Amino acid sequence: DQQVKQNSPSLSVQEGRISILNCDYTNSMFDYFLWYKKYPAEGPTFLISISSIKDKNEDGRFTVFLNKSAKHLSLHIVPSQPGDSAVYFCAARSTSGTYKYIFGTGTRLKVLA
Amino acid sequence: NAGVTQTPKFRILKIGQSMTLQCTQDMNHNYMYWYRQDPGMGLKLIYYSVGAGITDKGEVPNGYNVSRSTTEDFPLRLELAAPSQTSVYFCASTLGQASSYNSPLHFGNGTRLTVT
Repeated sequence: DQQVKQNSPSLSVQEGRISILNCDYTNSMFDYFLWYKKYPAEGPTFLISISSIKDKNEDGRFTVFLNKSAKHLSLHIVPSQPGDSAVYFCAARSTSGTYKYIFGTGTRLKVLA
Repeated sequence: NAGVTQTPKFRILKIGQSMTLQCTQDMNHNYMYWYRQDPGMGLKLIYYSVGAGITDKGEVPNGYNVSRSTTEDFPLRLELAAPSQTSVYFCASTLGQASSYNSPLHFGNGTRLTVT
């Protein structure tokens, strides 16, 4: 079963506009959520995270929103830049004592100049 | 600061051969992980370790073995390689202590393995 889902395999956005990437999860024991960016032939790079006690976290152009009742989180990138073109993964960690980080399938973002 | 280092970067194996993927980190992290990435499938957790001498299975452990004899190293062993193990393998680590409870994973650059 896919506990972390990213239902949009790809997204194209014009440079300067907002990019919104979505992620849904099914496990109510997840308490820490993360977004990673991945370029080809490189490892994933940490972008931003949020604890389950918050509903928003900002870091420069990146903002993550968490809606616990809907089991949904989103990543907003404003303004989008061509260098943001990459695959974005959301991830979640459980409080059940296992310390597992579970990843979604990724969304490929293409920012058009 | 090297972070998480994985070797080799590329490897081609024949069916039935064995190999060890190496992973080492110099950040004094307690927790280490192995993931595989297949096209369109995201990152699947193979095994993880919360400290030297302690390992546990992830989502897709079959066909793999791990050991954790030191804090720094977390090798992944493939005993009888199969075409289904063709993938990109990523090692990651995180501090994992109470003072940094919400700590992100730091990844290596991966090992691309092909089994033919």
